[in-house]
Amino acid sequence: GQQVMQIPQYQHVQEGEDFTTYCNSSTTLSNIQWYKQRPGGHPVFLIQLVKSGEVKKQKRLTFQFGEAKKNSSLHITATQTTDVGTYFCAAPSGSARQLTFGSGTQLTVLP
Amino acid sequence: GAGVSQTPSNKVTEKGKYVELRCDPISGHTALYWYRQSLGQGPEFLIYFQGTGAADDSGLPNDRFFAVRPEGSVSTLKIQRTERGDSAVYLCASSPRGSGRANEQFFGPGTRLTVL
Repeated sequence: GQQVMQIPQYQHVQEGEDFTTYCNSSTTLSNIQWYKQRPGGHPVFLIQLVKSGEVKKQKRLTFQFGEAKKNSSLHITATQTTDVGTYFCAAPSGSARQLTFGSGTQLTVLP
Repeated sequence: GAGVSQTPSNKVTEKGKYVELRCDPISGHTALYWYRQSLGQGPEFLIYFQGTGAADDSGLPNDRFFAVRPEGSVSTLKIQRTERGDSAVYLCASSPRGSGRANEQFFGPGTRLTVL
């Protein structure tokens, strides 16, 4: 089945530093979604990217979808302690109704 | 409005026992998904319902796992003869519709299942 590889697995940053997580697939994706899961919480939808080369911004978060639609990234500028959590990318697979999640990047922000 | 709710929040059972996990999706959402999440991993797809029918159950690991959604709203995930390896957080998600393309999924808080 489809696999979505996500790196790094862990990232520790000082508050105010930037953070990036990357997601890669061996196959072309119809779209990709990003979710955030706070410690002890459940995944919460952040955004969906559909178009080749698409870039979307949400305040300090910038999401990119690669030209070949095989990779994506999430960049956070000037991290804050509220950014702590695990960030997952997820892509449709199988019947195209299920999501295949990456293994996530756990972000720790040190004050 | 109310989000996706799941009960119980925690379930501890003994190996070999039967358990039922319940999911109440957001009102009006026709698509419902069950996922399983182990520590340090992303959610793993189990089954997808569109209305009352299981449209895709390809993620169920074996025939000990079964899920129903008889009236197209509440769903129950049933696990027979539980094994220690079944211990995980079971997440339910719903979305307004299931189409050929994945849509934003709204996740519930999950049920943490521990099999002793």
